[in-house]
Amino acid sequence: AQSVTQPDIHITVSEGASLELRCNYSYGATPYLFWYVQSPGQGLQLLLKYFSGDTLVQGIKGFEAEFKRSQSSFNLRKPSVHWSDAAEYFCAVGADSSASKIIFGSGTRLSIRP
Amino acid sequence: GAVVSQHPSRVICKSGTSVKIECRSLDFQATTMFWYRQFPKQSLMLMATSNEGSKATYEQGVEKDKFLINHASLTLSTLTVTSAHPEDSSFYICSARDYRGLGSPLHFGNGTRLTVT
Repeated sequence: AQSVTQPDIHITVSEGASLELRCNYSYGATPYLFWYVQSPGQGLQLLLKYFSGDTLVQGIKGFEAEFKRSQSSFNLRKPSVHWSDAAEYFCAVGADSSASKIIFGSGTRLSIRP
Repeated sequence: GAVVSQHPSRVICKSGTSVKIECRSLDFQATTMFWYRQFPKQSLMLMATSNEGSKATYEQGVEKDKFLINHASLTLSTLTVTSAHPEDSSFYICSARDYRGLGSPLHFGNGTRLTVT
């Protein structure tokens, strides 16, 4: 069965510093992968997705992620974080052929140090 | 603007009562919608797949009789929490994709916060 692991529960980085959030997936075929962000008490916003093609995916708000099949990873990166990036980040994998049924990782809470 | 609308956004109910949550696709048709539950400071757990015109498919461990799902039209799915108890208090989120499939975006509702007293 498909699964997603986010090994870091909480990360704190200084404003302006670079960020990398880790994500590992388990899936038999080529996965559909996503990163979502959720602010406190809010719904989900899609940052980026990978379906096929270029393994380096650009998203919104300056985020990018790289699909590495050999490592079963899809880590999220941002070169310079802003205080407004503080939120909960979820890596997810599509569990059906249309990538509509989404399985989420446990999430990583990002805090920004002024 | 939001293309998947959830209503209500917040609801407080007494233990033992039932609560209905609606999920509407506003400008597209969705043969399938999905319901998730999120406990505080936890991830979203898929509860069930709502299928238009047929029975919902529930994930393992989710009580069918407790969480009734109806998907009577291509734009509306409802989740009814029956005989709610305080442990059902959670954030419920639905999602839907345009029936045309993978090329169209997957939309999430803004969620419904249920508090059972």
